[in-house]
Amino acid sequence: KNEVEQSPQNLTAQEGEFITINCSYSVGISALHWLQQHPGGGIVSLFMLSSGKKKHGRLIATINIQEKHSSLHITASHPRDSAVYICAVEGGSQGNLIFGKGTKLSVKP
Amino acid sequence: EPEVTQTPSHQVTQMGQEVILRCVPISNHLYFYWYRQILGQKVEFLVSFYNNEISEKSEIFDDQFSVERPDGSNFTLKIRSTKLEDSAMYFCASRTRHLTGELFFGEGSRLTVL
Repeated sequence: KNEVEQSPQNLTAQEGEFITINCSYSVGISALHWLQQHPGGGIVSLFMLSSGKKKHGRLIATINIQEKHSSLHITASHPRDSAVYICAVEGGSQGNLIFGKGTKLSVKP
Repeated sequence: EPEVTQTPSHQVTQMGQEVILRCVPISNHLYFYWYRQILGQKVEFLVSFYNNEISEKSEIFDDQFSVERPDGSNFTLKIRSTKLEDSAMYFCASRTRHLTGELFFGEGSRLTVL
């Protein structure tokens, strides 16, 4: 069974800081998802990766398949980025994502 | 922008009662999922549904749970006899393609079992 570990669990940053959240998994996967969970509970998909790097606005996600590791970077962080960021991996089964515990990010003005 | 909608947003029920959570996936999506998140815990997979049948289910998805797509648009999760431990946020998600399609989540339905 795949284990998904995220670090850090909690992160407090000042507005404008560069932020990195890490995700490691134990077994080979077909895809990795980065998700954002709002304070109200709703989940938004940020990225789905199977290799390399993706960028969307101030968000960048990378994955190293050999090292079983992914990072989510936020450049020029803003208080509206405050949320829980969740890494989830997909192993080939139909939608059976295995989720990490999430990283709670708080960006202070 | 198309979205997955879920109703109700919050339901309070007595233990032993039946609950139906409803989801309207995005119209051209083919794969549908239910996940749940107990307060303070990780999100967990419950079930995936494709071509009008369950394609995979987790250990959590026992005989008390069922899913159906009764009318081609709604996708429902039924819990036959709720237990206290069923209290959680339930998320519906859908995607166009298996494995390569982006997942779109609904806002969730919070179920409280008393």
